Amino acid sequence: DAKTTQPTSMDCAEGRAANLPCNHSTISGNEYVYWYRQIHSQGPQYIIHGLKNNETNEMASLIITEDRKSSTLILPHATLRDTAVYYCIVRGGPLGSNFGNEKLTFGTGTRLTIIP
Amino acid sequence: NAGVTQTPKFQVLKTGQSMTLQCAQDMNHEYMSWYRQDPGMGLRLIHYSVGAGITDQGEVPNGYNVSRSTTEDFPLRLLSAAPSQTSVYFCASSFSGSDVGRQFFGPGTRLTVL
Repeated sequence: DAKTTQPTSMDCAEGRAANLPCNHSTISGNEYVYWYRQIHSQGPQYIIHGLKNNETNEMASLIITEDRKSSTLILPHATLRDTAVYYCIVRGGPLGSNFGNEKLTFGTGTRLTIIP
Repeated sequence: NAGVTQTPKFQVLKTGQSMTLQCAQDMNHEYMSWYRQDPGMGLRLIHYSVGAGITDQGEVPNGYNVSRSTTEDFPLRLLSAAPSQTSVYFCASSFSGSDVGRQFFGPGTRLTVL
């Protein structure tokens, strides 16, 4: 799986958009970008994933650059409940392209603090 | 659906004691896994299973055993607990091994070994 690089920590004002960057310059053509978050003392929670097109769901938006070497997770209107550690993970996607490598590798993520 | 459940929530053991951390899911997921998380570190994979009767080792399997006799349950056994196994343990599941990118995690078990 490709390695990812994320800032250690970020702050964002409540009500503003939180933009969390992730670099994955060694990503290969069949690898997806996944985002999870972990609120203090809880299990990680899946947020969103994408291959090359921008994606949006009820939680967030994912913007992937055209060369796919980096991505940004956007929380459009951050609330205090969004304070968490956010993990960017790159691996083979859900189309059976990664049999024999059924693992998800978490790094240390970005600690996002929403400021009242 | 209850999702992924873990018991107990907290546990204190003495060195050398054995115990089993329970994990169950009611989503009929084929893939299940165990992670440990130590302070300031990301999650590390201990063992995983792609279906009933099939298990494999992750990054840090030493000191832990698993079995998968049913689709729903994936217990983690510590045979002889050591202080180095003090950690928070998370169980997770996904629809299949090829969909491991979308895992559902349990609330965790906080284990202290004295």
